[in-house]
Amino acid sequence: SYELTQPSSVSVSPGQTARITCSGDVLAKKYGRWFQQKPGQAPVLVIYKDSERPSGIPERFSGSRSGTTVTLTISGAQVEDEADYYCYSAADNSGVFGGGTKLTVL
Amino acid sequence: EVQLVESGGGLVKPGGSLRLSCAASGFTFSDYSVNWVRQAPGKGLEWVSSISSTTSYIDYADSVKGRFTISRDNAKNSLYLQMNSLRAEDTAVYYCATPYYYDSSGPDLDYWGQGTLVTVSS
Repeated sequence: SYELTQPSSVSVSPGQTARITCSGDVLAKKYGRWFQQKPGQAPVLVIYKDSERPSGIPERFSGSRSGTTVTLTISGAQVEDEADYYCYSAADNSGVFGGGTKLTVL
Repeated sequence: EVQLVESGGGLVKPGGSLRLSCAASGFTFSDYSVNWVRQAPGKGLEWVSSISSTTSYIDYADSVKGRFTISRDNAKNSLYLQMNSLRAEDTAVYYCATPYYYDSSGPDLDYWGQGTLVTVSS
């Protein structure tokens, strides 16, 4: 079965750029998605197809890919961006989540 | 507006059964695969199961295979998860989720419901 590996935590000051990486063999052939989850809330899609941004998601959220690693970048992170972030990939017969990254903006 | 509303969660004893439902609106339900995803208290997200638009393809995580059954009723815009032989480790918030922006015909997820809590305890 596939695995996706993320750092457990990332910390930045407000206005700085936050980068969260996600690596795994499944990304060699499948796109990555990124979800933001705040306490007590359902996950919200912030990036799909590695780098596409859904409507309503601020432009400071962007995604990129290099080989089998996808990266979520938050340019000029704001306090309200503090949340857990999960990468995800839809493999052929199963879904795969990364373990999640707690982003602290302080 | 895409809406997914889960129901059916609750407290059940180990070995018991529960049936979750997810009511969909705001999109053509019958055109999309749908998924169940769960999150144990304080833990990360875990994909549970996926069913294609015509029910031709059904997949399960190894952790629930043989105990859970996913199904759908396109006429009622509804998704279901029959959970049998429940264990303490099945305790989680269960979300239904569907693709919208990109559908590879795999277990894609874009929109999520708010979830329903299942607690397995004696």
